[in-house]
Amino acid sequence: SQQGEEDPQALSIQEGENATMNCSYKTSINNLQWYRQNSGRGLVHLILIRSNEREKHSGRLRVTLDTSKKSSSLLITASRAADTASYFCATGQAGTALIFGKGTTLSVSS
Amino acid sequence: SAVISQKPSRDICQRGTSLTIQCQVDSQVTMMFWYRQQPGQSLTLIATANQGSEATYESGFVIDKFPISRPNLTFSTLTVSNMSPEDSSIYLCSVVATGFINTEAFFGQGTRLTVV
Repeated sequence: SQQGEEDPQALSIQEGENATMNCSYKTSINNLQWYRQNSGRGLVHLILIRSNEREKHSGRLRVTLDTSKKSSSLLITASRAADTASYFCATGQAGTALIFGKGTTLSVSS
Repeated sequence: SAVISQKPSRDICQRGTSLTIQCQVDSQVTMMFWYRQQPGQSLTLIATANQGSEATYESGFVIDKFPISRPNLTFSTLTVSNMSPEDSSIYLCSVVATGFINTEAFFGQGTRLTVV
């Protein structure tokens, strides 16, 4: 079953703009992760934020985590056409499978 | 890190038949996970495959429909049995590094199954 909701479900922007995606979850977590999926293929790990962290950066990605609100956001700055993909948040506990959110489909047009 | 080879990458099958999907990992892992992704949807966990024991299935998935084998620590198969068009989905296997709490998961490239 899905851990939570992501919004928006779909996002269309122009190259150079920023894209923000949000994720909410329901249970306590060890970490929250974001993944990207191109054209229905395998998932690529983008970034992991631990439950005791509030913000994390990786290149053009910035992730925030608010455990009191059980929510996270993924910001992609200066979007490129190659960022077009589906983005999923996922939460996990030690030794268990990841539970995925519903995902956001991002379309970046040039 | 782990590299997962999943095959077939895609298949078109007749209803009533079965398809076995294979995942080979380049390192030993305790648990492997199988997911289903229906068209336009997110990933749903089918089962957890442990070496040396029966797989643990999530609610809504049963062994008769999705039998899983895990003969060793680097390999697993998922069979989709007696297929119907509703089984048309992408099936993915996944692993996490053994013994680590905060670590990423690795995925195979997925098997895109179409049942006609």
